[in-house]
Amino acid sequence: SAVISQKPSRDICQRGTSLTIQCQVDSQVTMMFWYRQQPGQSLTLIATANQGSEATYESGFVIDKFPISRPNLTFSTLTVSNMSPEDSSIYLCSVEASGSNNEQFFGPGTRLTVL
Amino acid sequence: SQKIEQNSEALNIQEGKTATLTCNYTNYSPAYLQWYRQDPGRGPVFLLLIRENEKEKRKERLKVTFDTTLKQSLFHITASQPADSATYLCALGSRNYGQNFVFGPGTRLSVLP
Repeated sequence: SAVISQKPSRDICQRGTSLTIQCQVDSQVTMMFWYRQQPGQSLTLIATANQGSEATYESGFVIDKFPISRPNLTFSTLTVSNMSPEDSSIYLCSVEASGSNNEQFFGPGTRLTVL
Repeated sequence: SQKIEQNSEALNIQEGKTATLTCNYTNYSPAYLQWYRQDPGRGPVFLLLIRENEKEKRKERLKVTFDTTLKQSLFHITASQPADSATYLCALGSRNYGQNFVFGPGTRLSVLP
């Protein structure tokens, strides 16, 4: 298993500003994932963050809006840039577990409100 | 485009009964399907995985079936308890993990005492 922590747990931000969310894992992992969960909705994959290479973004998400860093095998950051109220959401990071179940372990999430 | 449906959005059942949740998908050929539980204010927690060549999986009071012809998975919780109340998400994965890994909208289950 993996234990994941995220900072901040929640934040309220002004339109036009940026917020960087941190994700820390208690073990070394190859792939980390960033998801968005809008109110009452399911999870949408934003990007996959691999250590030592550029993040891979899903359709509808771009690096300029959601820059990601992955400096080592236990840490990643997601920045939400030039925020608007539509970015209000819960942002979750996850990692893939080793083993056969392809299960993902999720962090507790960061609840972002943009005014 | 790919679409995953979980019907219904909310399900209320009496304690002790079996809860059955449905996950249907279109325009997708998943290599495996997973079920997660999500409690309010928390990230999803993995419950079970079933692969495309498997018909049924069990884990304690949980049972999952997978019918690739019908493009449907059923998730059963037997002898349900109020502590089972949560949102349950199905997730479909491709062979290239991290690509085309998509979650359904979830079903909010309430088990009434």
